[in-house]
Amino acid sequence: DTEVTQTPKHLVMGMTNKKSLKCEQHMGHRAMYWYKQKAKKPPELMFVYSYEKLSINESVPSRFSPECPNSSLLNLHLHALQPEDSALYLCASSQSSQHEQFFGPGTRLTVL
Amino acid sequence: DQQVKQNSPSLSVQEGRISILNCDYTNSMFDYFLWYKKYPAEGPTFLISISSIKDKNEDGRFTVFLNKSAKHLSLHIVPSQPGDSAVYFCAAIGGTSYGKLTFGQGTILTVHP
Repeated sequence: DTEVTQTPKHLVMGMTNKKSLKCEQHMGHRAMYWYKQKAKKPPELMFVYSYEKLSINESVPSRFSPECPNSSLLNLHLHALQPEDSALYLCASSQSSQHEQFFGPGTRLTVL
Repeated sequence: DQQVKQNSPSLSVQEGRISILNCDYTNSMFDYFLWYKKYPAEGPTFLISISSIKDKNEDGRFTVFLNKSAKHLSLHIVPSQPGDSAVYFCAAIGGTSYGKLTFGQGTILTVHP
């Protein structure tokens, strides 16, 4: 299995909602990542988990809360988002933090 | 401060010809470089990578060249196919930023039949 899967594919939420994005990989990778991508821009790193521990937080607002329940799963909990948070949210995994990262298809998030 | 730069926003090539995508970097601590291909509304797809101890890596139609002294890398696609039309991102890892991919701004490649 060489895939990173993400659910849901699309999400529309209001500014007072609480929702979660989910990511899963079964490649035995020990590093997992959340990225945010706006149109016509490169992906921007949000969080890095290495061996299920948060190793990098790129000064992301607390309305985004990551969680790594086990080595195969990565969640991103969303609460009180703003319309400017609308973007494509990408999950990635890699064998280690020094290797190529493999991306999931992304969740298209729209905040109304 | 953009540490990875792709100075050509777009490139147009005829099918069957060579596509050459360029990337420059400023951080001498980068030691691993990658190319990704991206279609709209999809995640980036890993294409090919190169370690700083090499100057060339080849995989099928894709070859990446690294010139460390010039801090420059390029991706060659030969022969180009219409299905190669996508946005191509150059990325780098290294130094104190392990785990963090630093991306260029991307180059839109269009391959005409």
